[in-house]
Amino acid sequence: NAGVTQTPKFQVLKTGQSMTLQCAQDMNHEYMSWYRQDPGMGLRLIHYSVGAGITDQGEVPNGYNVSRSTTEDFPLRLLSAAPSQTSVYFCASSRTSTGVADTEAFFGQGTRLTVV
Amino acid sequence: GENVEQHPSTLSVQEGDSAVIKCTYSDSASNYFPWYKQELGKRPQLIIDIRSNVGEKKDQRIAVTLNKTAKHFSLHITETQPEDSAVYFCAASTKGSTLGRLYFGRGTQLTVWP
Repeated sequence: NAGVTQTPKFQVLKTGQSMTLQCAQDMNHEYMSWYRQDPGMGLRLIHYSVGAGITDQGEVPNGYNVSRSTTEDFPLRLLSAAPSQTSVYFCASSRTSTGVADTEAFFGQGTRLTVV
Repeated sequence: GENVEQHPSTLSVQEGDSAVIKCTYSDSASNYFPWYKQELGKRPQLIIDIRSNVGEKKDQRIAVTLNKTAKHFSLHITETQPEDSAVYFCAASTKGSTLGRLYFGRGTQLTVWP
């Protein structure tokens, strides 16, 4: 049982480049989400999903896209990387109760992204 | 949307002392309040959680209390040990306009000195 698998672990991008952060879970969790972690700012929600085909924006969605074509996968796309997107990104998944993320969230290992 | 505030941002205690971290939330519809521990360079992991129909929950040296009226909840760690040193995050789960979300506080860096 792998849990939440997130790739890559490290990435350096040039301003304007695009890329996709991959996230996969094998626990059949309905709820999946992406957070960015910056010093002193905690974990800020970027986008989240409660099932295949259902996504919504979080606190800081600008510059990011997501899709949920399967229960297992929830990729995060950076459309045109900017230095302000330099951060550590975490994917997380959990079961839900009536569409609310009210159970333990399992996190991926994180991606340290630097945009130069 | 929900706003979760966490205090203090840093906390230093002597080994064996107690540590208390406090959080407030703004959305009265929030009903699930987990606490996560993140060691340096690692992913956050759940250490304890509480639901809105419970006032207190304990698990060995850690406990969480919830005051729904005042919209605040706290993490209590007793008999602290150096391995408790980490960043602790509180969170609140609420149902937004269409879907449920989990919001985190900004974190507390706890340092336990031997």
